[in-house]
Amino acid sequence: EAQVTQNPRYLITVTGKKLTVTCSQNMNHEYMSWYRQDPGLGLRQIYYSMNVEVTDKGDVPEGYKVSRKEKRNFPLILESPSPNQTSLYFCASSLSRGGADGYTFGSGTRLTVV
Amino acid sequence: GENVEQHPSTLSVQEGDSAVIKCTYSDSASNYFPWYKQELGKGPQLIIDIRSNVGEKKDQRIAVTLNKTAKHFSLHITETQPEDSAVYFCAAIQAAGNKLTFGGGTRVLVKP
Repeated sequence: EAQVTQNPRYLITVTGKKLTVTCSQNMNHEYMSWYRQDPGLGLRQIYYSMNVEVTDKGDVPEGYKVSRKEKRNFPLILESPSPNQTSLYFCASSLSRGGADGYTFGSGTRLTVV
Repeated sequence: GENVEQHPSTLSVQEGDSAVIKCTYSDSASNYFPWYKQELGKGPQLIIDIRSNVGEKKDQRIAVTLNKTAKHFSLHITETQPEDSAVYFCAAIQAAGNKLTFGGGTRVLVKP
């Protein structure tokens, strides 16, 4: 089954404790992206990757890092999480650049930073 | 950059009635406009899309219309059913762009 898998689904952590949210896709897509979803603000892009070793900032990259060492994996790293990073996070992948033929989204990671 | 505004933010309809969600975009170069449905506890899922060379597209009970001159596009759901209850997002991207820009979302509640 074609899918994007994120882990964990839920995470509660404390301020300053580094964490990684994993994302993996099995569709051989070149383009991958991370979004955060906050009430009333829709989906805002954090980082995206056009291919292996090619990443770039989205609209809200502050406080986040990503890496793309393999085509299928695109982890999101929070080096020093803060409460304003409490949010619902989605990883997505697409065949075309920018999601221009439709994204496949993961099921989401709900992160709470206390 | 692109800016997409979506209205209304919440929409309550009686089962069997129609629902309409409207979006406006700012970048006249945008040429791809998808709609996503997000059910509770799940990621958004593409339900229909339209490209700028087409004015309207239908898929069973859902349709999307595009007015390039006015820079707005709409999602129409006819004969609504309880399973249509969800959050809907519109989005836009230009051909040379690197990312979709999403609207703020519309929470649709279909009352039995």
